[in-house]
Amino acid sequence: GAGVSQSPSNKVTEKGKDVELRCDPISGHTALYWYRQSLGQGLEFLIYFQGNSAPDKSGLPSDRFSAERTGGSVSTLTIQRTQQEDSAVYLCASSASGVTNEKLFFGSGTQLSVL
Amino acid sequence: GEDVEQSLFLSVREGDSSVINCTYTDSSSTYLYWYKQEPGAGLQLLTYIFSNMDMKQDQRLTVLLNKKDKHLSLRIADTQTGDSAIYFCAEGNSGYALNFGKGTSLLVTP
Repeated sequence: GAGVSQSPSNKVTEKGKDVELRCDPISGHTALYWYRQSLGQGLEFLIYFQGNSAPDKSGLPSDRFSAERTGGSVSTLTIQRTQQEDSAVYLCASSASGVTNEKLFFGSGTQLSVL
Repeated sequence: GEDVEQSLFLSVREGDSSVINCTYTDSSSTYLYWYKQEPGAGLQLLTYIFSNMDMKQDQRLTVLLNKKDKHLSLRIADTQTGDSAIYFCAEGNSGYALNFGKGTSLLVTP
């Protein structure tokens, strides 16, 4: 696609429910990143994919968070048993090959609100 | 992780210059970046500088790097209302995950 697309743009859920956030990277980009932006905080790195593999999952805040990527394209970030502290904007970015200093292209994010 | 610190808010008048400051702690930082986030949008890379440089100019943008003090600044000349946004400083080294500051909200008033 022309840019990184994320869906939904907004998600309101109840505490304890599971949510899935989707990211469509730029076509042909092999590297994909998930970041979390909480109110008043910077961007927190969550996970990085190179192709379908995630060499670094160390940023995932708890075992309730998981992510996968299929076909070297679409990625899904799943949050199980959501908590209020999960409320944030979840940003996805992609880059052509994931090498150092490569330009990251960000999506508009999914605003998650856990009530 | 290493810290990247920025002031949270800056207000300037249209036509004035804006200077947004950032400090970082990771001495191994190789690349330093400035990203812009407009309301409801993702982050857009504005400019970056390698750690072996001390200045980079790109049209209205000037980036200054003081590696000794680990201080980075972004100067926007002739600031316009369309420059109102959140500006993020970020640093990276040989890895792939950038370390972002909390962002500086720039408000440009007429």
